[in-house]
Amino acid sequence: AQKVTQAQTEISVVEKEDVTLDCVYETRDTTYYLFWYKQPPSGELVFLIRRNSFDEQNEISGRYSWNFQKSTSSFNFTITASQVVDSAVYFCALSGVNSGGGADGLTFGKGTHLIIQP
Amino acid sequence: DAGITQSPRHKVTETGTPVTLRCHQTENHRYMYWYRQDPGHGLRLIHYSYGVKDTDKGEVSDGYSVSRSKTEDFLLTLESATSSQTSVYFCAIYSGRANTDTQYFGPGTRLTVL
Repeated sequence: AQKVTQAQTEISVVEKEDVTLDCVYETRDTTYYLFWYKQPPSGELVFLIRRNSFDEQNEISGRYSWNFQKSTSSFNFTITASQVVDSAVYFCALSGVNSGGGADGLTFGKGTHLIIQP
Repeated sequence: DAGITQSPRHKVTETGTPVTLRCHQTENHRYMYWYRQDPGHGLRLIHYSYGVKDTDKGEVSDGYSVSRSKTEDFLLTLESATSSQTSVYFCAIYSGRANTDTQYFGPGTRLTVL
């Protein structure tokens, strides 16, 4: 069975601070995908990133960066110089790979509510 | 925008009544999914489909059935709604775009069962 743990239920920081959201996962699959989604107060789910289990390179996209460490089964997300617009619930998710090479259904963590105070 | 619509967007119903939620996509994606989102649980997979008339159960399938008679529509049915099925329901499709295959989600349906 797959499991994703986001131990931080809520984080509150002041604007311009850096913040890291933790994600730890469990799977028996040797090949899998890891994801981060953002859910702003408006409620939609916004895809941020997908990582393949065989690619441990860290990734940076603007103020966002992701640190994937297979040895510790972690896929952490850092926002640098946070802004009020970053306030949202952030979900980490995991999936296996289906026979077509695509993602199976996602197993989500319970989410981290990030509050950026002005 | 992955071309996913959900209907209705909001629904209030009574315990014991049947309810059908519709997910419609315009881009001919093969894989479609239904999730529910509840406070403290994140999103959980109910059912998914890997083609017309091909469906399978997810983590929380009890009390739900699905049908997919054509590629663009994936229906979720609550045969006899219960208060525990009050939730926000999200449909998703699996799409490969810009070298990043992932699931894209519809806007959600808020269902209240009284």
